[in-house]
Amino acid sequence: DVKVTQSSRYLVKRTGEKVFLECVQDMDHENMFWYRQDPGLGLRLIYFSYDVKMKEKGDIPEGYSVSREKKERFSLILESASTNQTSMYLCASSTASGSRNNEQFFGPGTRLTVL
Amino acid sequence: AQSVAQPEDQVNVAEGNPLTVKCTYSVSGNPYLFWYVQYPNRGLQFLLKYITGDNLVKGSYGFEAEFNKSQTSFHLKKPSALVSDSALYFCAVRDIGSGAGSYQLTFGKGTKLSVIP
Repeated sequence: DVKVTQSSRYLVKRTGEKVFLECVQDMDHENMFWYRQDPGLGLRLIYFSYDVKMKEKGDIPEGYSVSREKKERFSLILESASTNQTSMYLCASSTASGSRNNEQFFGPGTRLTVL
Repeated sequence: AQSVAQPEDQVNVAEGNPLTVKCTYSVSGNPYLFWYVQYPNRGLQFLLKYITGDNLVKGSYGFEAEFNKSQTSFHLKKPSALVSDSALYFCAVRDIGSGAGSYQLTFGKGTKLSVIP
């Protein structure tokens, strides 16, 4: 089974802190994604990566950056956390394998609270 | 641009009755369509997908979905609901395009399904 793990289930940070959210997948997937989930808004894509050291902005990249130094790991960075970044953050991965119809596999999520 | 609409925020159904969770989509080309389920405090789990071929797709836990191109819909169905089906359901679409952007899924806002004993 594909396993996507996220470093923390719950995280509480203070405004202005630098926050790192880590995601690791064990299935050698090429593609990795970071979403945030907010009630009434569904999932919104922050960033994604289709290869090591490659990144693409999603729909809401402002206030975030990412790093992908190794294929299995995709990090989301909040350079200076703000209260409006309080949310559930979901990481996902998928294989490319020559087609673009492969489903994404999700981690359990990190619920971040910024005080 | 691609988009997904789930017109119902919440669906209530009695245990044993059939259930339907609605989804409509908009893409410029042909769609790949997905349904995911999220149980409380969990990540999303893949249920089923439509790529091509038979319009009726069968997935996990007895769920199925029907692709209707003329109505641009992909409604999720189950003949007999269980209390354990109570969860948040997300529809997602991917446009068959080119470039890195075609890896992106666009999700609906989710529909909360409550199955009443």
